[in-house]
Amino acid sequence: GENVEQHPSTLSVQEGDSAVIKCTYSDSASNYFPWYKQELGKRPQLIIDIRSNVGEKKDQRIAVTLNKTAKHFSLHITETQPEDSAVYFCAASPGSNDYKLSFGAGTTVTVRA
Amino acid sequence: DTGVSQDPRHKITKRGQNVTFRCDPISEHNRLYWYRQTLGQGPEFLTYFQNEAQLEKSRLLSDRFSAERPKGSFSTLEIQRTEQGDSAMYLCASSLRTGGPRSYNEQFFGPGTRLTVL
Repeated sequence: GENVEQHPSTLSVQEGDSAVIKCTYSDSASNYFPWYKQELGKRPQLIIDIRSNVGEKKDQRIAVTLNKTAKHFSLHITETQPEDSAVYFCAASPGSNDYKLSFGAGTTVTVRA
Repeated sequence: DTGVSQDPRHKITKRGQNVTFRCDPISEHNRLYWYRQTLGQGPEFLTYFQNEAQLEKSRLLSDRFSAERPKGSFSTLEIQRTEQGDSAMYLCASSLRTGGPRSYNEQFFGPGTRLTVL
């Protein structure tokens, strides 16, 4: 099955700086890569996703890049704010099953004021 | 609240007891998923429904686990003879399948049921 690895496990950044989280996946047939944000005690919420037919997608301060050849994708958060502090999960959907998500272990992001 | 809801939010039980959790998806969503999340890990897929049909079960789902979605609306997840290793957050998610087989649709998560097995 699909194996998703996520780095780093923790990330501390100064407010206003950028944060980058990287993920790799094993199944070359995976086609869908969402990113979820989970605040303490709350449910995971989708913040951005990318499909295999594009290499980059941006939504305000958040961007995701995908390199299918290398089988890795990254989340970029610019101009970080205290409310960006949370656990971020990357996920991949195996190509043979268009519904099941395999998640990374998560990155705890702390934005220092 | 029109989002995914789960009940109960917390459950403490003794080893060997049976427990049942309920998930109410977003009303028009035809797909429903169960995931399990342990501390410091991402959610792990357990099982999935398309309407009332259970289409896949993970190997993580032992024979002690059973899930149903009898009318294609709410779903229940039952764990029989609970073990301490079952302690986790059980998350439910739903999505609306549109388009062809390759159309991916956002999965909306519920708040989860935190299970503690003593």
